[in-house]
Amino acid sequence: AQTVTQSQPEMSVQEAETVTLSCTYDTSESDYYLFWYKQPPSRQMILVIRQEAYKQQNATENRFSVNFQKAAKSFSLKISDSQLGDAAMYFCAYRSGKMNSGGSNYKLTFGKGTLLTVNP
Amino acid sequence: SQTIHQWPATLVQPVGSPLSLECTVEGTSNPNLYWYRQAAGRGLQLLFYSVGIGQISSEVPQNLSASRPQDRQFILSSKKLLLSDSGFYLCARRGAGRTGELFFGEGSRLTVL
Repeated sequence: AQTVTQSQPEMSVQEAETVTLSCTYDTSESDYYLFWYKQPPSRQMILVIRQEAYKQQNATENRFSVNFQKAAKSFSLKISDSQLGDAAMYFCAYRSGKMNSGGSNYKLTFGKGTLLTVNP
Repeated sequence: SQTIHQWPATLVQPVGSPLSLECTVEGTSNPNLYWYRQAAGRGLQLLFYSVGIGQISSEVPQNLSASRPQDRQFILSSKKLLLSDSGFYLCARRGAGRTGELFFGEGSRLTVL
């Protein structure tokens, strides 16, 4: 079974600075998808960024970018120009690309999360 | 737009009481739907998923059950709650794109006393 590990339970960053959140995963598959989700105090999970494993180019969404290292099975999230509104719990998630009937291949496996604090 | 509503937002129940959490989806038909539980200090655990009316798959043995009586309705239930059922319950639908990301509702906070 696939596992997702976030080794940093908590991180902090000064406003306007850059922070990187780590994520590693374990899989024997070559086709898969990776995601970062943000969960602010309101508790609703919000998709931040997605990466397809077959794409070598790192995904970018405004101030959010990833460093995808497929051989190392690493998928870190970089937040540039951190803002107070970025404070949240961040979850890394994995989805298998294997096609199964019944929708089971669309399950996401989540890490335990990293709590990001942004200091003014 | 495609929206996921969860009800109730907050619930406090005694041990042994029944439970019903409702999830409804707007703006899409025949969505794949998922129930996740988030316990304090832990990640998200997939409980159930459904690919259509009456079709439920369970991921872990537990005190809970799920039903899908209508295309856009997904219900999480229990006949007798346990203390360990406390947590934050999230309903999600699969996105339409190839990447298959999940989009989540606002969640339901359950406290069992």
